[in-house]
Formats: sequence, C-alpha cells, structure tokens
Amino acid sequence: DGGITQSPKYLFRKEGQNVTLSCEQNLNHDAMYWYRQDPGQGLRLIYYSQIVNDFQKGDIAEGYSVSREKKESFPLTVTSAQKNPTAFYLCASSIRDGYGYTFGSGTRLTVV
Amino acid sequence: ILNVEQSPQSLHVQEGDSTNFTCSFPSSNFYALHWYRWETAKSPEALFVMTLNGDEKKKGRISATLNTKEGYSYLYIKGSQPEDSATYLCALEGGANNLFFGTGTRLTVIP
Repeated sequence: DGGITQSPKYLFRKEGQNVTLSCEQNLNHDAMYWYRQDPGQGLRLIYYSQIVNDFQKGDIAEGYSVSREKKESFPLTVTSAQKNPTAFYLCASSIRDGYGYTFGSGTRLTVV
Repeated sequence: ILNVEQSPQSLHVQEGDSTNFTCSFPSSNFYALHWYRWETAKSPEALFVMTLNGDEKKKGRISATLNTKEGYSYLYIKGSQPEDSATYLCALEGGANNLFFGTGTRLTVIP
C-alpha cells in the first residue's frame, strides 16, 4: 500500500545532540513537508520541498535542516541550535495543487 | 502566515446527535480550505478540499461548506457515532501549496 513512513515513532536525545527524523513516501508525490506540533498550537510549517534537490524554509525553520536528494525521502535534522526541540513532528506529502496532504504517523522527539 | 481559528476547542456529544463546528479566517486570500480528521494514534486524514465560495462537499455523514465572503467554513456531522471521535483540523492553503492550520476541534462522541 502507498503511504508515508516516519521513523522512529519515539526518539529521545540529550541536549546538544543533532538528531535526524526520517520520512519516506512511495506515493510518487512531488511535494513534501515537515510540520511541528506543540500543545495548544496548530501545526506549524518547518520546511517544504516541491521538487528533488530544492527546499524552502517554512515559518519556524531556525535550528532545523533538511535535504531532498530523492523524491521519496525528506529527512529532517533537528540541530543543537533549535532552542525547544521537544515536540511532535509530522511529515506530509502532496500532489501539487488542489489535493489534500497525506500525512505520516509522526515522531515524538524528547530532548533531555 | 494565514490566521485560522477553530471553535469550539472541544466538544462532547451523545451518540446519534448531529453537530457542527467552525473554521474562521480573516482573509479570502488563499487557494483552498482543507479539513482533516485526526484520530488518536493515527495520521491526519484528508476529508475535504474546497476552493470556491459556496462550495459544499459531502462524505457519508460528514459535510462541509465554505463562505469566503464572510470568512468561515462549517463542518457538519449528522448522527454522530463513537468512531467520529477525533480532532478535526481546518487549514488554509497559501502559496506553494503550504497549509496553515488551526488548532483543531476535539470531538468526543459518548456512546
């Protein structure tokens, strides 16, 4: 079945360490996105990519980095520069224009 | 950034009751309005994408309307069932296909 896979589901890291969250899709979607959810807030856009080898900052990109070397994959690195990294992270993909997103099941990152 | 407000924040209804909730936005400067259902421990699932003023969409017992002139969209659930319990997210689609989400309405249907 086609879909988006995020791994791992739960991740614990020590403060000051970089950590990479995986997102893979087999839907042949051009566009991919990373969102962050914090309690009491809507999903906020971190980075997005509309095509391989190209990506753009979203509203809260500081302290994060991404790559899009393959259409299927859009990993997110949470760097030590991110001041409040503990959150729930959702990856999504879409055909461009007019269709809803398909979401992964998320990764809960806890930094201690 | 497109501002999206959803109300109520949470809602409890009895099984069989019909219910509705609101997504409001101050500007009609967007490409589309999306509704998603997000059940606990699952991925958000797309329900509707609406683009035109007056759009109405229906999927089983769930329907949605869009009024871009007055800045709101309603989501209706007819005859709520326990499996409808979820958080319902509204989002505006801006440029580059990006979505700006509200905080959601958490619906609990009591058997």
